[in-house]
Amino acid sequence: GAVVSQHPSWVICKSGTSVKIECRSLDFQATTMFWYRQFPKQSLMLMATSNEGSKATYEQGVEKDKFLINHASLTLSTLTVTSAHPEDSSFYICSAREAGLAGGTTGELFFGEGSRLTVL
Amino acid sequence: AQSVTQLDSQVPVFEEAPVELRCNYSSSVSVYLFWYVQYPNQGLQLLLKYLSGSTLVKGINGFEAEFNKSQTSFHLRKPSVHISDTAEYFCAVFMYSGGGADGLTFGKGTHLIIQP
Repeated sequence: GAVVSQHPSWVICKSGTSVKIECRSLDFQATTMFWYRQFPKQSLMLMATSNEGSKATYEQGVEKDKFLINHASLTLSTLTVTSAHPEDSSFYICSAREAGLAGGTTGELFFGEGSRLTVL
Repeated sequence: AQSVTQLDSQVPVFEEAPVELRCNYSSSVSVYLFWYVQYPNQGLQLLLKYLSGSTLVKGINGFEAEFNKSQTSFHLRKPSVHISDTAEYFCAVFMYSGGGADGLTFGKGTHLIIQP
Protein backbone atom coordinates (compact mmCIF):
# COMPACT_ATOMS: atom_id res chain seq x y z
CA GLY A 1 0.00 0.00 0.00
CA ALA A 2 0.91 3.64 -0.26
CA VAL A 3 3.34 4.88 2.38
CA VAL A 4 3.48 8.31 3.93
CA SER A 5 6.41 9.21 6.12
CA GLN A 6 6.62 12.03 8.65
CA HIS A 7 9.72 13.49 10.21
CA PRO A 8 10.58 14.10 12.96
CA SER A 9 8.51 11.77 15.14
CA TRP A 10 9.29 13.74 18.25
CA VAL A 11 10.52 17.28 18.66
CA ILE A 12 11.10 19.40 21.71
CA CYS A 13 11.80 23.09 21.30
CA LYS A 14 12.01 26.28 23.28
CA SER A 15 9.23 28.82 23.23
CA GLY A 16 9.67 31.34 20.44
CA THR A 17 11.51 29.06 18.05
CA SER A 18 10.17 27.64 14.80
CA VAL A 19 9.79 23.97 14.02
CA LYS A 20 9.43 22.32 10.63
CA ILE A 21 7.69 18.97 10.13
CA GLU A 22 8.05 17.10 6.85
CA CYS A 23 5.52 14.81 5.23
CA ARG A 24 6.59 12.66 2.31
CA SER A 25 4.71 10.26 0.07
CA LEU A 26 7.25 7.52 -0.58
CA ASP A 27 5.78 5.48 -3.41
CA PHE A 28 3.15 7.66 -5.01
CA GLN A 29 2.55 11.21 -6.07
CA ALA A 30 0.34 13.20 -3.76
CA THR A 31 -1.34 16.14 -5.40
CA THR A 32 -3.22 16.83 -2.17
CA MET A 33 -1.99 16.59 1.39
CA PHE A 34 -3.73 17.35 4.63
CA TRP A 35 -2.46 18.45 8.02
CA TYR A 36 -4.24 17.55 11.22
CA ARG A 37 -3.79 18.37 14.85
CA GLN A 38 -4.79 15.94 17.55
CA PHE A 39 -5.20 16.75 21.23
CA PRO A 40 -5.00 13.95 23.83
CA LYS A 41 -7.95 11.57 23.69
CA GLN A 42 -9.58 13.52 20.89
CA SER A 43 -10.19 13.06 17.20
CA LEU A 44 -8.19 14.63 14.42
CA MET A 45 -8.84 18.27 13.66
CA LEU A 46 -8.19 19.24 10.05
CA MET A 47 -5.94 22.28 9.97
CA ALA A 48 -5.35 22.81 6.27
CA THR A 49 -5.37 21.33 2.82
CA SER A 50 -2.33 21.79 0.66
CA ASN A 51 -2.26 21.33 -3.08
CA GLU A 52 0.97 20.97 -4.95
CA GLY A 53 2.03 24.23 -6.51
CA SER A 54 -0.63 26.41 -4.93
CA LYS A 55 -1.41 28.04 -1.61
CA ALA A 56 -2.79 25.98 1.22
CA THR A 57 -6.41 26.28 2.25
CA TYR A 58 -6.77 26.75 5.99
CA GLU A 59 -9.72 25.69 8.09
CA GLN A 60 -11.59 28.29 10.05
CA GLY A 61 -9.80 29.31 13.20
CA VAL A 62 -6.35 28.14 12.07
CA GLU A 63 -3.77 30.90 11.93
CA LYS A 64 -2.09 30.76 8.54
CA ASP A 65 0.80 32.92 9.72
CA LYS A 66 1.42 30.59 12.65
CA PHE A 67 1.21 27.36 10.71
CA LEU A 68 3.01 27.75 7.38
CA ILE A 69 2.39 25.03 4.85
CA ASN A 70 4.42 24.45 1.74
CA HIS A 71 3.72 21.78 -0.87
CA ALA A 72 6.45 22.45 -3.39
CA SER A 73 6.61 18.99 -4.94
CA LEU A 74 4.33 16.02 -5.54
CA THR A 75 5.99 14.04 -2.77
CA LEU A 76 6.69 16.58 -0.04
CA SER A 77 4.67 18.90 2.14
CA THR A 78 6.03 20.78 5.13
CA LEU A 79 4.35 22.33 8.14
CA THR A 80 6.29 25.02 9.96
CA VAL A 81 5.07 26.09 13.38
CA THR A 82 6.42 29.60 13.72
CA SER A 83 7.27 31.22 17.04
CA ALA A 84 6.03 28.17 18.87
CA HIS A 85 4.45 28.48 22.32
CA PRO A 86 3.48 25.83 24.86
CA GLU A 87 -0.13 25.90 23.66
CA ASP A 88 1.12 24.69 20.25
CA SER A 89 2.26 21.46 21.86
CA SER A 90 0.30 18.70 20.20
CA PHE A 91 0.39 15.66 17.95
CA TYR A 92 0.49 16.69 14.29
CA ILE A 93 -0.44 14.21 11.59
CA CYS A 94 -0.28 14.53 7.84
CA SER A 95 -2.07 12.53 5.22
CA ALA A 96 -1.93 12.27 1.48
CA ARG A 97 -4.36 11.40 -1.22
CA GLU A 98 -3.34 9.66 -4.39
CA ALA A 99 -5.13 10.71 -7.54
CA GLY A 100 -7.27 7.96 -9.07
CA LEU A 101 -6.66 6.54 -12.50
CA ALA A 102 -9.36 8.71 -14.00
CA GLY A 103 -8.48 11.75 -11.97
CA GLY A 104 -11.08 10.94 -9.36
CA THR A 105 -10.59 9.73 -5.84
CA THR A 106 -11.95 7.10 -3.51
CA GLY A 107 -11.45 9.48 -0.63
CA GLU A 108 -8.96 7.14 1.02
CA LEU A 109 -6.20 8.91 2.85
CA PHE A 110 -2.80 7.52 3.75
CA PHE A 111 -1.48 8.80 7.04
CA GLY A 112 1.98 9.58 8.30
CA GLU A 113 3.19 8.29 11.65
CA GLY A 114 2.59 11.61 13.34
CA SER A 115 4.90 14.14 14.97
CA ARG A 116 4.68 15.01 18.65
CA LEU A 117 5.67 18.59 19.32
CA THR A 118 6.48 19.73 22.83
CA VAL A 119 7.18 23.40 23.35
CA LEU A 120 8.91 24.26 26.62
CA ALA B 1 -23.30 18.85 5.88
CA GLN B 2 -22.13 15.39 6.73
CA SER B 3 -21.40 14.22 10.24
CA VAL B 4 -20.14 11.06 11.88
CA THR B 5 -21.25 9.83 15.29
CA GLN B 6 -19.43 7.24 17.31
CA LEU B 7 -21.75 6.68 20.22
CA ASP B 8 -19.25 4.99 22.52
CA SER B 9 -16.16 6.90 23.57
CA GLN B 10 -14.80 3.85 25.37
CA VAL B 11 -15.55 0.14 25.06
CA PRO B 12 -14.05 -2.35 27.55
CA VAL B 13 -14.08 -5.96 26.40
CA PHE B 14 -12.57 -9.15 27.76
CA GLU B 15 -9.96 -10.90 25.66
CA GLU B 16 -11.38 -13.40 23.15
CA ALA B 17 -14.85 -11.88 23.45
CA PRO B 18 -16.64 -10.35 20.43
CA VAL B 19 -16.88 -6.59 20.01
CA GLU B 20 -18.91 -4.12 18.00
CA LEU B 21 -17.96 -0.46 17.64
CA ARG B 22 -20.83 1.65 16.43
CA CYS B 23 -20.74 4.35 13.77
CA ASN B 24 -23.60 6.33 12.32
CA TYR B 25 -23.36 9.04 9.72
CA SER B 26 -25.57 11.65 8.16
CA SER B 27 -25.31 12.64 4.53
CA SER B 28 -27.75 13.42 1.77
CA VAL B 29 -25.51 12.05 -0.94
CA SER B 30 -23.50 8.92 -1.61
CA VAL B 31 -20.58 8.37 0.67
CA TYR B 32 -17.48 6.28 1.06
CA LEU B 33 -16.93 4.89 4.53
CA PHE B 34 -13.75 4.01 6.38
CA TRP B 35 -12.54 2.64 9.68
CA TYR B 36 -9.07 3.61 10.86
CA VAL B 37 -7.11 2.37 13.89
CA GLN B 38 -4.62 4.45 15.85
CA TYR B 39 -2.14 2.89 18.25
CA PRO B 40 -0.55 5.14 20.92
CA ASN B 41 1.70 7.84 19.50
CA GLN B 42 1.19 6.67 15.95
CA GLY B 43 -0.67 7.83 12.88
CA LEU B 44 -3.81 6.24 11.51
CA GLN B 45 -3.89 2.90 9.75
CA LEU B 46 -6.71 1.85 7.46
CA LEU B 47 -8.67 -1.14 8.77
CA LEU B 48 -11.24 -1.37 6.01
CA LYS B 49 -13.32 0.66 3.61
CA TYR B 50 -16.66 0.58 1.85
CA LEU B 51 -16.78 2.10 -1.61
CA SER B 52 -19.51 0.09 -3.34
CA GLY B 53 -20.72 -3.46 -3.87
CA SER B 54 -21.13 -5.95 -1.04
CA THR B 55 -22.28 -4.30 2.14
CA LEU B 56 -20.15 -6.62 4.28
CA VAL B 57 -16.56 -5.50 4.16
CA LYS B 58 -13.64 -7.46 5.55
CA GLY B 59 -10.49 -5.74 6.68
CA ILE B 60 -7.17 -6.43 8.33
CA ASN B 61 -6.61 -8.04 11.72
CA GLY B 62 -9.89 -9.97 11.53
CA PHE B 63 -12.16 -6.93 11.55
CA GLU B 64 -15.25 -6.53 9.40
CA ALA B 65 -17.94 -3.90 9.00
CA GLU B 66 -21.39 -3.80 7.51
CA PHE B 67 -22.79 -0.88 5.59
CA ASN B 68 -26.49 -0.33 6.28
CA LYS B 69 -27.82 2.40 4.05
CA SER B 70 -31.30 2.52 5.57
CA GLN B 71 -29.88 2.97 9.06
CA THR B 72 -26.94 5.05 7.84
CA SER B 73 -24.60 2.90 9.89
CA PHE B 74 -21.22 1.30 9.41
CA HIS B 75 -20.55 -0.69 12.57
CA LEU B 76 -17.20 -2.40 13.07
CA ARG B 77 -17.07 -5.94 14.45
CA LYS B 78 -14.57 -8.57 15.45
CA PRO B 79 -15.60 -12.04 16.68
CA SER B 80 -12.69 -12.48 19.09
CA VAL B 81 -10.43 -9.68 20.27
CA HIS B 82 -6.83 -9.79 21.45
CA ILE B 83 -4.83 -7.63 23.80
CA SER B 84 -3.08 -6.15 20.76
CA ASP B 85 -6.39 -4.71 19.54
CA THR B 86 -6.28 -2.12 22.31
CA ALA B 87 -6.28 1.16 20.39
CA GLU B 88 -8.37 4.11 19.28
CA TYR B 89 -10.75 3.44 16.40
CA PHE B 90 -12.05 6.15 14.10
CA CYS B 91 -14.94 5.98 11.69
CA ALA B 92 -14.72 8.36 8.75
CA VAL B 93 -16.91 9.47 5.88
CA PHE B 94 -15.97 10.87 2.52
CA MET B 95 -18.73 12.56 0.57
CA TYR B 96 -18.16 11.93 -3.09
CA SER B 97 -19.03 15.16 -4.81
CA GLY B 98 -17.42 14.30 -8.09
CA GLY B 99 -14.80 16.97 -7.96
CA GLY B 100 -13.99 17.98 -4.44
CA ALA B 101 -10.73 17.44 -2.68
CA ASP B 102 -12.06 17.71 0.83
CA GLY B 103 -10.75 15.62 3.59
CA LEU B 104 -12.60 12.96 5.49
CA THR B 105 -15.07 13.72 8.26
CA PHE B 106 -14.01 11.78 11.32
CA GLY B 107 -15.97 10.56 14.28
CA LYS B 108 -14.65 11.38 17.72
CA GLY B 109 -13.17 7.94 18.12
CA THR B 110 -13.81 4.91 20.31
CA HIS B 111 -11.17 3.67 22.69
CA LEU B 112 -11.21 -0.12 22.69
CA ILE B 113 -9.83 -1.53 25.91
CA ILE B 114 -9.11 -5.24 26.03
CA GLN B 115 -9.10 -6.73 29.49
CA PRO B 116 -7.27 -10.01 30.18
